[in-house]
Amino acid sequence: DTGVSQDPRHKITKRGQNVTFRCDPISEHNRLYWYRQTLGQGPEFLTYFQNEAQLEKSRLLSDRFSAERPKGSFSTLEIQRTEQGDSAMYLCASSLGAPQETQYFGPGTRLLVL
Amino acid sequence: AQSVAQPEDQVNVAEGNPLTVKCTYSVSGNPYLFWYVQYPNRGLQFLLKYITGDNLVKGSYGFEAEFNKSQTSFHLKKPSALVSDSALYFCAVRDRPGGYNKLIFGAGTRLAVHP
Repeated sequence: DTGVSQDPRHKITKRGQNVTFRCDPISEHNRLYWYRQTLGQGPEFLTYFQNEAQLEKSRLLSDRFSAERPKGSFSTLEIQRTEQGDSAMYLCASSLGAPQETQYFGPGTRLLVL
Repeated sequence: AQSVAQPEDQVNVAEGNPLTVKCTYSVSGNPYLFWYVQYPNRGLQFLLKYITGDNLVKGSYGFEAEFNKSQTSFHLKKPSALVSDSALYFCAVRDRPGGYNKLIFGAGTRLAVHP
């Protein structure tokens, strides 16, 4: 069990650029979550996948944000036309498909938009 | 709506003393409650959870938490604090029963253990 991995760990970009983050969940986990954490706050839910299906999206996920999990394994989160307010830590978590499962988090991708 | 509150931004404790990090919750139905710890520039590490059963839940690194339904609390405890326990602690509740299990987090409590 190698845990949840995320790439890159850090990203600095200029306002208006597009960025893409990758998450590799624990191999047998079919549920995958994206959260966003800003300084001094707890993580906030962005979106959820069960296998390849995106089943829930937060209102926080504006139309500039898109997430995919094409083969039910890794997932990508893309932010188009980044804004300074997008600066945050983006966390990915995965879990088994049982009703009482625990979510295991990756190390996160810290995004800074200049 | 489900929610959790962590009333203390920071908790200071001397090494070797017991520690408590407080959490209260508001849910409809039976609560599923979690504690996570976050070290600087790292993701969240799972400590323990309450689903059902004994009100005292034991978790990783010597931590435990007490579920109190009448006080709607789920406080994190450790009998003897270590300097290495210094970190940011988050309480979380699972969103609505039967939902997709997304977690609702508190704002976090920074624990500082002094030598």
